[in-house]
Amino acid sequence: QKEVEQNSGPLSVPEGAIASLNCTYSDRGSQSFFWYRQYSGKSPELIMFIYSNGDKEDGRFTAQLNKASQYVSLLIRDSQPSDSATYLCAVSAGNNRKLIWGLGTSLAVNP
Amino acid sequence: DTAVSQTPKYLVTQMGNDKSIKCEQNLGHDTMYWYKQDSKKFLKIMFSYNNKELIINETVPNRFSPKSPDKAHLNLHINSLELGDSAVYFCASSPTVTNYGYTFGSGTRLTVV
Repeated sequence: QKEVEQNSGPLSVPEGAIASLNCTYSDRGSQSFFWYRQYSGKSPELIMFIYSNGDKEDGRFTAQLNKASQYVSLLIRDSQPSDSATYLCAVSAGNNRKLIWGLGTSLAVNP
Repeated sequence: DTAVSQTPKYLVTQMGNDKSIKCEQNLGHDTMYWYKQDSKKFLKIMFSYNNKELIINETVPNRFSPKSPDKAHLNLHINSLELGDSAVYFCASSPTVTNYGYTFGSGTRLTVV
């Protein structure tokens, strides 16, 4: 049973649209939630983190967390072709001092 | 200045050989990691060190041996390489053991032939 699940995609959106990326997790003890972006052939880079229920906004990115539903999402407003990448959801594994990673969602923003 | 640097970037070697990958971070972080990303892009943690102390050792064959001479360096030595070891290996660091805002190195693409 996967502990962090993401739709692998590809998710295709037109330029300027809102891209919505979703992630569910199985460990109710998880406290920290992260979104990393990975361009093809590159290393992952942190774009957002969220610890509390609700929304957290940073520029065009909004992370949303619902611990009751064990659900975290990433919204990208005004999507740009440069946003085309794989988005990895990662969740802290209680006291295990490590992140549990999803397989990632591939996003394609079409000009 | 590169924050987390790992060498080499590419490594092509024959089965049975022994190879090493080196990693250095200049961020002053306490914690360093080795991750393996396979062809399906799944990121799997292998090892984690906090201030030179091994704190995570996942189910990894004994052929893989990490070494951390100081908290800025974490190296990975692999003995008797096998075809299944082919992957991209990422080094990463984080400020503390409970701060998961990782900074990744650029990766080492290992191909075993």
